[in-house]
Amino acid sequence: DTGVSQNPRHKITKRGQNVTFRCDPISEHNRLYWYRQTLGQGPEFLTYFQNEAQLEKSRLLSDRFSAERPKGSFSTLEIQRTEQGDSAMYLCASSFKVFGGSGANVLTFGAGSRLTVL
Amino acid sequence: SQELEQSPQSLIVQEGKNLTINCTSSKTLYGLYWYKQKYGEGLIFLMMLQKGGEEKSHEKITAKLDEKKQQSSLHITASQPSHAGIYLCGAASFQGAQKLVFGQGTRLTINP
Repeated sequence: DTGVSQNPRHKITKRGQNVTFRCDPISEHNRLYWYRQTLGQGPEFLTYFQNEAQLEKSRLLSDRFSAERPKGSFSTLEIQRTEQGDSAMYLCASSFKVFGGSGANVLTFGAGSRLTVL
Repeated sequence: SQELEQSPQSLIVQEGKNLTINCTSSKTLYGLYWYKQKYGEGLIFLMMLQKGGEEKSHEKITAKLDEKKQQSSLHITASQPSHAGIYLCGAASFQGAQKLVFGQGTRLTINP
């Protein structure tokens, strides 16, 4: 297993354009998370999936953001009409956890996709 | 919502010296996770603590969770250049929470 894979690693776009990021999690992981990280800050939660179901979305996830995990495997995060404030590192993580369980939830992170909006 | 405060925000130490990073919460921590991040890259899992008073070690890194489960420390003994990076603590915001919230990170620089 090669871990969590994210593409593209870097994306430079002009304000107003749409961008899409892809995340391929560890194959046996049923959970997939998206976080956003800006310079000097810790990761901020955006959304997560349990298999193909999107179970929680942060208020940070405006209506310009949409995430999908159609078959419970890879996921895409699309940002429409990008703004300069969207410039950040978008991190994907995956884990295996039974929903509602109180056990550990160790997230394995990908290398991230860095977005620069000009 | 739970906030995790890390201190210090940045730390510069001489190679070979010991150091400690703290992570404090105003609420009980249900699972405390330590990660390391190289600049511009993803997070690498280090250790997880769940029980009050728990302590874990891996190589020269020791993490502890206090009895009240509101503060954790990460201690590095005899620091090396390979320890340089950003250390992040993350925690479940309540028992059964399905996501982790993170502190702002501590940037560690090791001078040779």
